[in-house]
Amino acid sequence: GAVVSQHPSWVICKSGTSVKIECRSLDFQATTMFWYRQFPKQSLMLMATSNEGSKATYEQGVEKDKFLINHASLTLSTLTVTSAHPEDSSFYICSASEGQKFNEKLFFGSGTQLSVL
Amino acid sequence: DAKTTQPTSMDCAEGRAANLPCNHSTISGNEYVYWYRQIHSQGPQYIIHGLKNNETNEMASLIITEDRKSSTLILPHATLRDTAVYYCIVVNSNSGYALNFGKGTSLLVTP
Repeated sequence: GAVVSQHPSWVICKSGTSVKIECRSLDFQATTMFWYRQFPKQSLMLMATSNEGSKATYEQGVEKDKFLINHASLTLSTLTVTSAHPEDSSFYICSASEGQKFNEKLFFGSGTQLSVL
Repeated sequence: DAKTTQPTSMDCAEGRAANLPCNHSTISGNEYVYWYRQIHSQGPQYIIHGLKNNETNEMASLIITEDRKSSTLILPHATLRDTAVYYCIVVNSNSGYALNFGKGTSLLVTP
């Protein structure tokens, strides 16, 4: 089946630094990728939707200048957490779909645990 | 998208069938029922989806009531590795793939 690779699996950084998380579709071209955030014992919250070659669409309450998303190719999307603070510590998960056609399943990455000290 | 209601948690003995219910009484005609699960500290995994007919694949069966207001995910022979949070999500065909995860059902499979 289709595989979505997410890297790194975990990262620890100092407050004020920026962290980049990569999401790759390994055996299909992902025209659309989604970024989610999950706090401990809570459900996944959609942060943004990115389409290859265009600007990402952010959900209400998500700061686009803090969470920079780049979807420059059909197999790679990146999420950069800029000037990270302890409250940004969370589990970040990406997902990808192969095309515009509905009625397909989404493939998820394995997630990135971010800890900001 | 229609809202779903699931029990917070369930237990199931290993080897027995796990039946996970989901209520989606406000579902509309163009909305699909999707099931995903999330094993601790991993990304969600697709299980199955359907519109109005019952569906079966290698992982599970999905039973949708005739009025489509509820559904049941069936894991026919639960194993310890099926312990996870199971999410029932109703998706509008016009809203694309953005999934709105509720709180799901935490299934514990016991030896």
